[in-house]
Amino acid sequence: DGGITQSPKYLFRKEGQNVTLSCEQNLNHDAMYWYRQDPGQGLRLIYYSQIVNDFQKGDIAEGYSVSREKKESFPLTVTSAQKNPTAFYLCASSMEGVGQYFGPGTRLTVT
Amino acid sequence: GEDVEQSLFLSVREGDSSVINCTYTDSSSTYLYWYKQEPGAGLQLLTYIFSNMDMKQDQRLTVLLNKKDKHLSLRIADTQTGDSAIYFCAESIEDDKIIFGKGTRLHILP
Repeated sequence: DGGITQSPKYLFRKEGQNVTLSCEQNLNHDAMYWYRQDPGQGLRLIYYSQIVNDFQKGDIAEGYSVSREKKESFPLTVTSAQKNPTAFYLCASSMEGVGQYFGPGTRLTVT
Repeated sequence: GEDVEQSLFLSVREGDSSVINCTYTDSSSTYLYWYKQEPGAGLQLLTYIFSNMDMKQDQRLTVLLNKKDKHLSLRIADTQTGDSAIYFCAESIEDDKIIFGKGTRLHILP
């Protein structure tokens, strides 16, 4: 079964701690993306990567970091510098052309 | 910059047709998309339309594109309770990136 997995589904952290969210795909897609979704809001792009070992900042990259060491994996680290980290985080991947395919999301709560 | 606008709420009676509307700004978009999000889940690509088409039908879904007015709509025929979700309109921009609207919450009345 091809698809995108994100883990864990729910994550709780104390303020001041860094936390890494996992995203894996076995669709052989070149491009991968991280979005943040807040209640009643659309999706805002955090980082994206079009190829292994390369990535670009999206609209709200401050306080986040990523790596792309393998085609299948694009982990996102939410650092302590992110002022409002509590949100629903969505990972997606795409092949050139038609649309992005999304994982099930990780809900991060920071207290 | 690029922007996608859609109304936030729509209530439809079960069995009726739902029509969700959207306007976008980037006239160079190659693809326009409709995504569905159920509570607590990721987004599911429902359908898409290439920018040189004006209509696409897929079972109960009909997408209409008016490129001159930069207007996209999604019609769901015979709306069912399982159609209750948030529907996002989106347009493609450079580098395979997509700009999303804020989503329309579709509520089904019995």
